[in-house]
Amino acid sequence: NAGVTQTPKFQVLKTGQSMTLQCAQDMNHNSMYWYRQDPGMGLRLIYYSASEGTTDKGEVPNGYNVSRLNKREFSLRLESAAPSQTSVYFCASMAGRGVAQHFGDGTRLSIL
Amino acid sequence: DQQVKQNSPSLSVQEGRISILNCDYTNSMFDYFLWYKKYPAEGPTFLISISSIKDKNEDGRFTVFLNKSAKHLSLHIVPSQPGDSAVYFCAASFNNNDMRFGAGTRLTVKP
Repeated sequence: NAGVTQTPKFQVLKTGQSMTLQCAQDMNHNSMYWYRQDPGMGLRLIYYSASEGTTDKGEVPNGYNVSRLNKREFSLRLESAAPSQTSVYFCASMAGRGVAQHFGDGTRLSIL
Repeated sequence: DQQVKQNSPSLSVQEGRISILNCDYTNSMFDYFLWYKKYPAEGPTFLISISSIKDKNEDGRFTVFLNKSAKHLSLHIVPSQPGDSAVYFCAASFNNNDMRFGAGTRLTVKP
């Protein structure tokens, strides 16, 4: 019962490097999400994909791009990493309206 | 602007007593509210939810209360157990895609 799988679990980057965070779900969910969690801030939505082939900006999209590769996979890309993007990133999926999201265990990203 | 606020960063209670975690929101368009529980190095896991058409939802030891006029919800855990020690996040949405989270409250249940 994998649920939502995120890779990698940890990553250290230098300022200006690029990186793609991977997320896959095996629950046949339509919607997928990327959040970042910072101390004292809770989780903030970066981008989401309500269904395969669509993506939309969330609360904090600047500096990020996403790709909904297929129904299972939703990747998050940092084209030119900045220290302000040091955070824990969570991917989530959801079956539909009125139900809860399922989260992966997160990717801890440090940018030096 | 934080549309969902959890003003208590931490809460400590004795095992067997009631834990009450509070959450306030500012957007009256929110129509669905959830509580998540998070252990270190894991993702949040869903605990309980409530629709804006209700004022109470109960699931075993967990009850969520919603006061729409005050834009306030609370999570009651009775009785509290040491295994309940975790960070609890309140979340709210109005179209089920743009979910807004509070900053979290760290609950410690002492044996």
